[in-house]
Amino acid sequence: AQSVTQLDSHVSVSEGTPVLLRCNYSSSYSPSLFWYVQHPNKGLQLLLKYTSAATLVKGINGFEAEFKKSETSFHLTKPSAHMSDAAEYFCVVRYTGFQKLVFGTGTRLLVSP
Amino acid sequence: GAGVSQSPSNKVTEKGKDVELRCDPISGHTALYWYRQSLGQGLEFLIYFQGNSAPDKSGLPSDRFSAERTGGSVSTLTIQRTQQEDSAVYLCASSLEGQLYEQYFGPGTRLTVT
Repeated sequence: AQSVTQLDSHVSVSEGTPVLLRCNYSSSYSPSLFWYVQHPNKGLQLLLKYTSAATLVKGINGFEAEFKKSETSFHLTKPSAHMSDAAEYFCVVRYTGFQKLVFGTGTRLLVSP
Repeated sequence: GAGVSQSPSNKVTEKGKDVELRCDPISGHTALYWYRQSLGQGLEFLIYFQGNSAPDKSGLPSDRFSAERTGGSVSTLTIQRTQQEDSAVYLCASSLEGQLYEQYFGPGTRLTVT
């Protein structure tokens, strides 16, 4: 079955500290993987995407994610959190041959001063 | 340029009533998607339109839900005989053909069924 799991519903960090948002996917098919961000009262925005090229993917706003096939993971990281990073982050998978995107349940990132 | 727009932004309706939600995609985007986002849940795929092809309706939760896309542009999602469990934010997205991963989302319609 196609699925994606975000292990943390909430992550709290202090401004200036690293961010790690975890994501695992089911390994039945070759996936394309994405992270979307949803700021309060705003639409979802594509943050970055992995489509079988380089395994380390850089996105907007200093975020990056690494595709690790052996761990079936695609964790999102940022070296130093900013207050404006506070938002909901969704890990998304698309399996080869399927037109649909499968969204995780989301991780809310809280950034404190 | 203009993004994806949805109307209304909020809709409160009584159980049993029908509702229509509208989506205006980005001009030139041939693919259009509807999702539902319930409290504490991820996005649930509902339906997908691509050009003139038959839509993928596999995500519609029941036959009370239907959607159409007129002229390859504007889309309407209709929910008949609404139930309280239909309360959610309904999101519309559009993309260029062949770039379904880069979907541009609208702000959503928050539906509350009382």
